Amino acid sequence: DVVLTQTPPTLSATIGQSVSISCRSSQSLLHSNGNTYLNWLLQRPGQPPQLLIYLVSRLESGVPNRFSGSGSGTDFTLKISGVEAEDLGVYYCVQSTHAWTFGGGTKLELK
Amino acid sequence: EVQLVESGGGLVQPGRSLKLSCLASGFTFSNYGMNWIRQAPGKGLEWVASISSSSSYIYYADTVKGRFTISRDNAKNTLYLQMTSLRSEDTALYYCAKGLGFAYWGQGTLVTVSS
Repeated sequence: DVVLTQTPPTLSATIGQSVSISCRSSQSLLHSNGNTYLNWLLQRPGQPPQLLIYLVSRLESGVPNRFSGSGSGTDFTLKISGVEAEDLGVYYCVQSTHAWTFGGGTKLELK
Repeated sequence: EVQLVESGGGLVQPGRSLKLSCLASGFTFSNYGMNWIRQAPGKGLEWVASISSSSSYIYYADTVKGRFTISRDNAKNTLYLQMTSLRSEDTALYYCAKGLGFAYWGQGTLVTVSS
């Protein structure tokens, strides 16, 4: 089974700071069809998760472009260029190349 | 507007059964794979089960395989999760999510397994 390891588990940031979250997979997420099925979600307190980025780097409609995703194979990164208050919550990576697996989550807090 | 509304949660004793429903609207339900994901209190997200648009392909997490059954009724725009032999560790908020990339989520329905 694929294991996704997110680091750090907790991230403290000030408003306007740029931050990055890592998601490392135990297996390559490159599918035989050429796609890499790695998405990023944000769960704000008391809310269901929302999709931010799909297929590693594609921004979901309506998501601010301060969010960006990158990576390939087994190593992936979510970057927020200038944290805003509404970005606080828990970020999850999720893969759907080999069934489905979520990362453990990264909690973004205000410093 | 895409809407997913889960129902059917509640308090149930260990070993008993419960059936969850997810009513979808705002999109062509029969064109999309659907999923159940759960979140235990204070914990992260756990994928539970997925079903393809025509029910041809069904997948389960090892933790629920043999106890849970995912199904759908495209005429009723509804996704189901039949849960049997429930355990305390199944206590969680159960979400349904649209598409195999989890593009939209419902608000969830709480299942509590306790004597």
